[in-house]
Amino acid sequence: AQSVTQLDSQVPVFEEAPVELRCNYSSSVSVYLFWYVQYPNQGLQLLLKYLSGSTLVKSINGFEAEFNKSQTSFHLRKPSVHISDTAEYFCAVKVIKAAGNKLTFGGGTRVLVKP
Amino acid sequence: KAGVTQTPRYLIKTRGQQVTLSCSPISGHRSVSWYQQTPGQGLQFLFEYFSETQRNKGNFPGRFSGRQFSNSRSEMNVSTLELGDSALYLCASSLEQGRWTEAFFGQGTRLTVV
Repeated sequence: AQSVTQLDSQVPVFEEAPVELRCNYSSSVSVYLFWYVQYPNQGLQLLLKYLSGSTLVKSINGFEAEFNKSQTSFHLRKPSVHISDTAEYFCAVKVIKAAGNKLTFGGGTRVLVKP
Repeated sequence: KAGVTQTPRYLIKTRGQQVTLSCSPISGHRSVSWYQQTPGQGLQFLFEYFSETQRNKGNFPGRFSGRQFSNSRSEMNVSTLELGDSALYLCASSLEQGRWTEAFFGQGTRLTVV
C-alpha cells in the first residue's frame, strides 16, 4: 500500500515571502507524484506532476517541486507568494503499473498568505 | 468544453436515510472516480468506474456503492446514512489515453447528515 505524509497542516506566510510545503511518500512500487490545489468551495486542480525525466518540475504560476527518490520526497516551493495563493495543497501518488486512476492523497497543507 | 458537473452541490439528510449523488464527466472521458473529503480523514478514494465497470475500490463499507451508465455519467449511493458520512464528495474524470491522463475534479457535493 502507498501512503503520503504532508508534514505541515498549516503554513502561514507573508506576501512576497518564499514558501515550502513538504511531502514524503511511502511505496514499495514506483509511483507518479502530483501536487493539487484546492481553493475555498472548489474541487481540486492539478498544479504539478512528476512522471519521469527531470526531477525538477515547474508550473506556469511560479511553483516548482523536486522529486527526490532517495528521500522519497516531493516538496513544493514558491519563491514569492501572492495573496491569491491562499488555498489548501495536496500531495498525491499513483502507482505507475496499476490500472486506473486511483490517487492516494496526503492530509493537505493549508497555506494562508498574509498581506 | 464543460467541466465535471456534480449535482446537487449541497444536501442535508437525516441519519438512516439514503442518498444518491450524480457526476457528469467531461465529454469523452470514460473514467470516473469518487473521493470522500473530511477534516479528520482527508481525501479518501471510494471507487473508480471505467466503461460501466468498477475498476478500483477503496476501503469503505458496503453502504457505499456506485455505478456508471453508458454515457459515462456516474452515481454514487450511500444507504443507511451515519453522522460520520458528512463530507465533501468529489468526482473526477479522465480521458484514459497513454500511460497517464490528468484527472479533472468537479466542485463536489457537500453532504450533511443530521
